[in-house]
Amino acid sequence: GDSVTQMEGPVTLSEEAFLTINCTYTATGYPSLFWYVQYPGEGLQLLLKATKADDKGSNKGFEATYRKETTSFHLEKGSVQVSDSAVYFCALSDQPNYGGSQGNLIFGKGTKLSVKP
Amino acid sequence: NAGVTQTPKFRVLKTGQSMTLLCAQDMNHEYMYWYRQDPGMGLRLIHYSVGEGTTAKGEVPDGYNVSRLKKQNFLLGLESAAPSQTSVYFCASSLITALVSNEQFFGPGTRLTVL
Repeated sequence: GDSVTQMEGPVTLSEEAFLTINCTYTATGYPSLFWYVQYPGEGLQLLLKATKADDKGSNKGFEATYRKETTSFHLEKGSVQVSDSAVYFCALSDQPNYGGSQGNLIFGKGTKLSVKP
Repeated sequence: NAGVTQTPKFRVLKTGQSMTLLCAQDMNHEYMYWYRQDPGMGLRLIHYSVGEGTTAKGEVPDGYNVSRLKKQNFLLGLESAAPSQTSVYFCASSLITALVSNEQFFGPGTRLTVL
């Protein structure tokens, strides 16, 4: 079945360091790809998304490019801040169709990021 | 616009007790979901609904029941709680999006402990 594998944490960085969180996926169809972020004590919220190959999602200084040839969607940020400390989840969604997939999200296990001042 | 809300925020149960978690959304979304989050496991889908009056099983449905009597509400029931159901439960909702990505909006979570 479809699956998402992301690098295990925790990841600890100093403020202004460069961030990469690796994410690879396995899918039979043409999924959309997502990064969700979970701040301490809160629910998940969408950080960015990409719906087709070579699309780049971006938000709040974070970027990720949908690479179909390497089945990857790595999250990057050039200069992290203390406020970026959170758990980051990579996820994929099949295209919904009424004969099968309902377009459910499949999540990776999450990567905890801690940024020190 | 409150988005997705969950009740209660915290609960402690004894083994064998029952309870219902309530999820409500005010975005007129068709799809609703219940997940559980456990350390090192990410989020796993328990049950979901594609519209009022419909429900379906997710990855880990055993020990849970759900109902979607109204479009805006999705209830998760535990008939006889077990310690293995100690977890953080998240509700989410989304529009039907047949052609584009399926963004889900999450509630703040319910932390459940079963003793």
